[in-house]
Amino acid sequence: SAVISQKPSRDICQRGTSLTIQCQVDSQVTMMFWYRQQPGQSLTLIATANQGSEATYESGFVIDKFPISRPNLTFSTLTVSNMSPEDSSIYLCSVRGMDYGYTFGSGTRLTVV
Amino acid sequence: GIQVEQSPPDLILQEGANSTLRCNFSDSVNNLQWFHQNPWGQLINLFYIPSGTKQNGRLSATTVATERYSLLYISSSQTTDSGVYFCAISRGNQFYFGTGTSLTVIP
Repeated sequence: SAVISQKPSRDICQRGTSLTIQCQVDSQVTMMFWYRQQPGQSLTLIATANQGSEATYESGFVIDKFPISRPNLTFSTLTVSNMSPEDSSIYLCSVRGMDYGYTFGSGTRLTVV
Repeated sequence: GIQVEQSPPDLILQEGANSTLRCNFSDSVNNLQWFHQNPWGQLINLFYIPSGTKQNGRLSATTVATERYSLLYISSSQTTDSGVYFCAISRGNQFYFGTGTSLTVIP
């Protein structure tokens, strides 16, 4: 299965600032996925990132708040903009393989103070 | 969307005990996976199991797609098994996570 390097692993940020999370995959993949996991909750899909096109956002998530870049087939970034304490969550990136299903990065634990 | 329900929501086990976690889903699916999320938040893929039975050490899983459920068996539980277990199902390009089972194994 693919190996995903995600960073930072954790961060504590001031409200009103932005944080960019990076994911690097060890193989080329068509689609990358970004998830949010709020405290005590399951995972929720934020958006799907395709190389060469704009990301597709799920209901309740907008590009101005969560801009995504996908410059090539092995890399993507998610920015959490103008943060508030409600954005404190674990953010995870993911890819899908033909034979092994979905694989996830190690996650970014974000705390907004 | 597809509904994915897991039971029980919480489980406390004595070390060495066995357990069965269940995942029910509301519609036909292409694939099903079981994940373990450790206390640090990392999501570990346990099984990729659209149907049938697989085993990996003390863990095994069975999916009966026609009856829309999957089971995860944990035998001889250890404290390192603690965490949250998620099943997730895919249909087309959509991937739906279950509600999770929080497992605590006490020494």
